[in-house]
Amino acid sequence: EPEVTQTPSHQVTQMGQEVILRCVPISNHLYFYWYRQILGQKVEFLVSFYNNEISEKSEIFDDQFSVERPDGSNFTLKIRSTKLEDSAMYFCASGGGQLRRMNTEAFFGQGTRLTVV
Amino acid sequence: EDKVVQSPLSLVVHEGDTVTLNCSYEVTNFRSLLWYKQEKKAPTFLFMLTSSGIEKKSGRLSSILDKKELFSILNITATQTGDSAIYLCAGGSGTASKLTFGTGTRLQVTL
Repeated sequence: EPEVTQTPSHQVTQMGQEVILRCVPISNHLYFYWYRQILGQKVEFLVSFYNNEISEKSEIFDDQFSVERPDGSNFTLKIRSTKLEDSAMYFCASGGGQLRRMNTEAFFGQGTRLTVV
Repeated sequence: EDKVVQSPLSLVVHEGDTVTLNCSYEVTNFRSLLWYKQEKKAPTFLFMLTSSGIEKKSGRLSSILDKKELFSILNITATQTGDSAIYLCAGGSGTASKLTFGTGTRLQVTL
């Protein structure tokens, strides 16, 4: 069964360093998302991406964050200068196959646990 | 601000019991209501509901949406220990179906 894959599963970085989290969405999906979940808190929307551009972003997704789809398969989240409060589980999700529009399920990857020290 | 509220926050039941999990939502430009199961890491998709009053069913799990009352329930019958997890409700909105999640209901099924 197709699935969203994320790498690495766990990343430890020093405060102020740049990190890139990688995702391979399900191949025929058109919508891509990043969410994060701080330990013990709810899953929070960061950004959605469609047709090679950001569709919507939350207040969390400030200038320190960026997303890219550098080729036909990968979808990345970059945090330019990490802060302690960026420590969280980051989930990539994808949805919306070729024949679907909105009202699409979002399928989540297993997540990257980012620890900023 | 969009809001999704789930109740109860946690629940402990015996194997074989039936449980009902609740979700209320206030989501601008609402499009869909989704239920996920979160065990260790990733939320696993269960249901997506877009129409009121139509029950979706998968095995022992079922769910229904009331768009007038802005409410959804998830039922699990004949619970098993493998049902122990956090159940997340999310409201989908906007042109790209951004999801607003509730805090979840932690279900523990004991023998």
